[in-house]
Amino acid sequence: QVQLVQSGAEVKKPGSSVKVSCKASGGTFSSYTISWVRQAPGQGLEWMGRIIPILGIANYAQKFQGRVTITADKSTSTAYMELSSLRSEDTAVYYCAREFGLLFDYWGQGTLVTVSS
Amino acid sequence: SSELTQDPAVSVALGQTVRITCQGDSLRSYYASWYQQKPGQAPVLVIYGKNNRPSGIPDRFSGSSSGNTASLTITGAQAEDEADYYCNSRDSSGNPLFGGGTKLTVL
Repeated sequence: QVQLVQSGAEVKKPGSSVKVSCKASGGTFSSYTISWVRQAPGQGLEWMGRIIPILGIANYAQKFQGRVTITADKSTSTAYMELSSLRSEDTAVYYCAREFGLLFDYWGQGTLVTVSS
Repeated sequence: SSELTQDPAVSVALGQTVRITCQGDSLRSYYASWYQQKPGQAPVLVIYGKNNRPSGIPDRFSGSSSGNTASLTITGAQAEDEADYYCNSRDSSGNPLFGGGTKLTVL
């Protein structure tokens, strides 16, 4: 059984960066694809990007290109999502999820990132 | 780019059947997956592929697809099915794309 455990809530100032972690257990981390999905308050789900740890290759939604960096540390089975140049509209719950083919079968518990001056 | 369109809200009487739909061009090429999300919780996969349920998902949940429309059907809706439901497929770049979500109310 795969389990994804994310880091805790963050409060950030506009213009700063945030880095959220997602630690995996169960299965073989290197062979996963880990995606990041965010959800603004009262809004829907929005895919941000993904990484394939075994390849070290990440790709990003066009909307976040240049502002998001997704990395993975195979030694600790942990994926990271860093979002820079934060603005108030980035206030959201950020989820990591295992992407398996055309579906997301395991999700982290979510990390609330609040951007406020 | 592509879009997946869902009705914002749907209601169903307790024990009745409800269909939640998702429309988009990508659904002609890719199966949709469906996610249930209750307040304050992470999404949960309920249907994927042609009509597959993960372990633990009740068999009152089923999926279907025709042309550019995918559907999630709940046969005999229960109070605990009240939630937001999201479809997911791919955009024109082959990246994941979510529908806007449907809020299901069980009356």
